[in-house]
Amino acid sequence: AQTVTQSQPEMSVQEAETVTLSCTYDTSESDYYLFWYKQPPSRQMILVIRQEAYKQQNATENRFSVNFQKAAKSFSLKISDSQLGDAAMYFCAYRVRDDKIIFGKGTRLHILP
Amino acid sequence: DTGVSQDPRHKITKRGQNVTFRCDPISEHNRLYWYRQTLGQGPEFLTYFQNEAQLEKSRLLSDRFSAERPKGSFSTLEIQRTEQGDSAMYLCASNLAGGLSTDTQYFGPGTRLTVL
Repeated sequence: AQTVTQSQPEMSVQEAETVTLSCTYDTSESDYYLFWYKQPPSRQMILVIRQEAYKQQNATENRFSVNFQKAAKSFSLKISDSQLGDAAMYFCAYRVRDDKIIFGKGTRLHILP
Repeated sequence: DTGVSQDPRHKITKRGQNVTFRCDPISEHNRLYWYRQTLGQGPEFLTYFQNEAQLEKSRLLSDRFSAERPKGSFSTLEIQRTEQGDSAMYLCASNLAGGLSTDTQYFGPGTRLTVL
């Protein structure tokens, strides 16, 4: 069965600093997609970044980038120049094409001013 | 494109009552998903539709739960004889399967259910 594990229930980072959130997953599929979703206190789930497993190049979106290690089944999120608006729950997620999403339990990120 | 919408945003009910939630996906999206999120946890899959066909149901979806998407547009999720354990956020998501961007599911704001 596919599983997604986030081992850090909570993290804190100073404003303007860099933080890395960890995620590992387990799958027997070779073609799949990985995501990081952000859920602010208002609770609407927002896509932060996605990575196609067949792509070797790590995805980046402005201050957000991933370190995708397919052999190790690792998918970490790096947030650079952290801002107060980055405070939220972050969910790592996995999906086989056009199928349901499997989420991790989340990491709550606090931004310290 | 107005995004995925859900109604109501909040619902408080007494144990044993029936409740129904509605989800309106992004208009051209043919796939619609329901997830449940309890406090402090990640969302868990409940069921999904492709157009009007319900293609998969999770074991989490007990007999008291039923979902429909009669015309392949909006969907409803009904919970009969609610229990306190049903208290959760119910999230709806949609995407266009088979298109160029099939792999991004867009989420609605959720319906928060509280069963007293």
